[in-house]
Amino acid sequence: NAGVTQTPKFQVLKTGQSMTLQCAQDMNHEYMSWYRQDPGMGLRLIHYSVGAGITDQGEVPNGYNVSRSTTEDFPLRLLSAAPSQTSVYFCASSRSRDSETQYFGPGTRLLVL
Amino acid sequence: SQQGEEDPQALSIQEGENATMNCSYKTSINNLQWYRQNSGRGLVHLILIRSNEREKHSGRLRVTLDTSKKSSSLLITASRAADTASYFCATDVSFTQGAQKLVFGQGTRLTINP
Repeated sequence: NAGVTQTPKFQVLKTGQSMTLQCAQDMNHEYMSWYRQDPGMGLRLIHYSVGAGITDQGEVPNGYNVSRSTTEDFPLRLLSAAPSQTSVYFCASSRSRDSETQYFGPGTRLLVL
Repeated sequence: SQQGEEDPQALSIQEGENATMNCSYKTSINNLQWYRQNSGRGLVHLILIRSNEREKHSGRLRVTLDTSKKSSSLLITASRAADTASYFCATDVSFTQGAQKLVFGQGTRLTINP
């Protein structure tokens, strides 16, 4: 199993550009989530999904959209990038919505100029 | 404010010594987890302790939980250079639609000196 994979590893955007961060898992996990990690802030939940076709907002959803058309994939879209979205983004998955062990991807480092 | 807060923020010890990190939280929990993050990598799950457990071991790791004080500690015994990483505690809190979510603390940065 590849586990949780994320692409790209690193991206530079200009303010106002849009892009999609990809996340995929091959463990047939129902629950997937996106976090951002900023220095001194720990990880903050952006959006999550409890299954295909079901998504909901986390703590810091503004400026981001998600969709879950399949169990495997959970892309995160930045609609109009802002410098405040410069961060490291992690995708995670777990077997069910009753969050126990979460499996994290390697992260995407995003720089918005 | 953060649900989980680690203490200390940074810890530097000699190889072979024991490392202790603490986590405090605010609301009642079902479980508390510890994760490790190596520099530039994703988080890796280390251990989970449930609210009805007081102590749990996994190899060189020992986790305690005191629900009356809303605190947990992670002890790494006989530290090795490879233990150099950031360590995060995470607590589960109820969120919308009955889902649980993990709330992470800011982490303890552990450095093991050879």
